[in-house]
Amino acid sequence: NAGVTQTPKFQVLKTGQSMTLQCAQDMNHNSMYWYRQDPGMGLRLIYYSASEGTTDKGEVPNGYNVSRLNKREFSLRLESAAPSQTSVYFCASSEGPQGYYEQYFGPGTRLTVT
Amino acid sequence: QKEVEQDPGPLSVPEGAIVSLNCTYSNSAFQYFMWYRQYSRKGPELLMYTYSSGNKEDGRFTAQVDKSSKYISLFIRDSQPSDSATYLCAMSEAYMRFGAGTRLTVKP
Repeated sequence: NAGVTQTPKFQVLKTGQSMTLQCAQDMNHNSMYWYRQDPGMGLRLIYYSASEGTTDKGEVPNGYNVSRLNKREFSLRLESAAPSQTSVYFCASSEGPQGYYEQYFGPGTRLTVT
Repeated sequence: QKEVEQDPGPLSVPEGAIVSLNCTYSNSAFQYFMWYRQYSRKGPELLMYTYSSGNKEDGRFTAQVDKSSKYISLFIRDSQPSDSATYLCAMSEAYMRFGAGTRLTVKP
């Protein structure tokens, strides 16, 4: 089992460009999450999907959109990248609702917006 | 004020030392408390999970929750160089909140 995989591992964008971060899990988990990690701020939840077909905003959703493509895949889209979106992005999944079940994290995507 | 406060360190200890990592929080609605370990350039992994006030032990690790003081701790006994990592506290009600993480180095 690969667990949670993320692509790409690294990306550099110019301000205003768009991109999609891909995430897939092979653990048959119902819930999936996107976080960003910034120095001194810890992990902050951007969006989550409690189950296939549903998505909800987290703590810092502005500037992002998500798609739960199917049970395995959950993508994060930046429509018009800004330097404030420079961060490390982590995808995670869990068997059930967050807080009740362990979250498994991917290796992260390091994004720089210039 | 952040909902979850965690001293970022860094913390450096000799091998074999007892390590104490702490977080405070302001939201009394938090019900579930976790500690994650994150090695450099990796994703976090769950280390400990507790629900109620009190202690939970797993090998060299002990998690402690004091809901009345809104304070949680992680103790590492007989620390090893392989424990060198960033430790993140986390807690949840509607969704997870993470502390900023404490970077720990255990020197041989």
